[in-house]
Amino acid sequence: QKEVEQNSGPLSVPEGAIASLNCTYSDRGSQSFFWYRQYSGKSPELIMSIYSNGDKEDGRFTAQLNKASQYVSLLIRDSQPSDSATYLCAVQGGSEKLVFGKGTKLTVNP
Amino acid sequence: EAGVAQSPRYKIIEKRQSVAFWCNPISGHATLYWYQQILGQGPKLLIQFQNNGVVDDSQLPKDRFSAERLKGVDSTLKIQPAKLEDSAVYLCASSSGGAYGYTFGSGTRLTVV
Repeated sequence: QKEVEQNSGPLSVPEGAIASLNCTYSDRGSQSFFWYRQYSGKSPELIMSIYSNGDKEDGRFTAQLNKASQYVSLLIRDSQPSDSATYLCAVQGGSEKLVFGKGTKLTVNP
Repeated sequence: EAGVAQSPRYKIIEKRQSVAFWCNPISGHATLYWYQQILGQGPKLLIQFQNNGVVDDSQLPKDRFSAERLKGVDSTLKIQPAKLEDSAVYLCASSSGGAYGYTFGSGTRLTVV
């Protein structure tokens, strides 16, 4: 059974701080990795994708991938109250289906 | 482009009743997924279609759940009979294939009482 584990939340950070979200996965053959943001009562929204080891930056968001350690992370710099949501880590294997973690709830306090 | 369309948005039924959800994917997307998301958990794949064929239905409770994608476009997910533990949000997603992630519809929130 392929598993995706996310650090237990909830995570609370002050406005302007860096939020760090972590994820590990069990399937070493996984190829693609995604972070989805889900506001309460809404459906997941794709915010970042990463495919190779290293960092990928997009605005205030940085995704980091280490395939040897089977580890993915998402950093949110200058966190804003509007970033308050549940962040889902998703891992994609050969069949293209995504396996999701349980999510980490982030609260950014003004 | 138009997004993934789902209906209804909300449904309340009594246990042992039946219910059906509808999904229309993004135009041209060959792959369609149905996920179940129970409150406080991540989405769990129920079934994956490629055009009108089933790719993966290993986690679909086939004694009560069924899904079809006639003509390789829109899809219907049915539950009969429903149980209390089926209360969840049912999410439909579609993709054009490849390693690009996919787009979710707004979901159907099912409450079984």
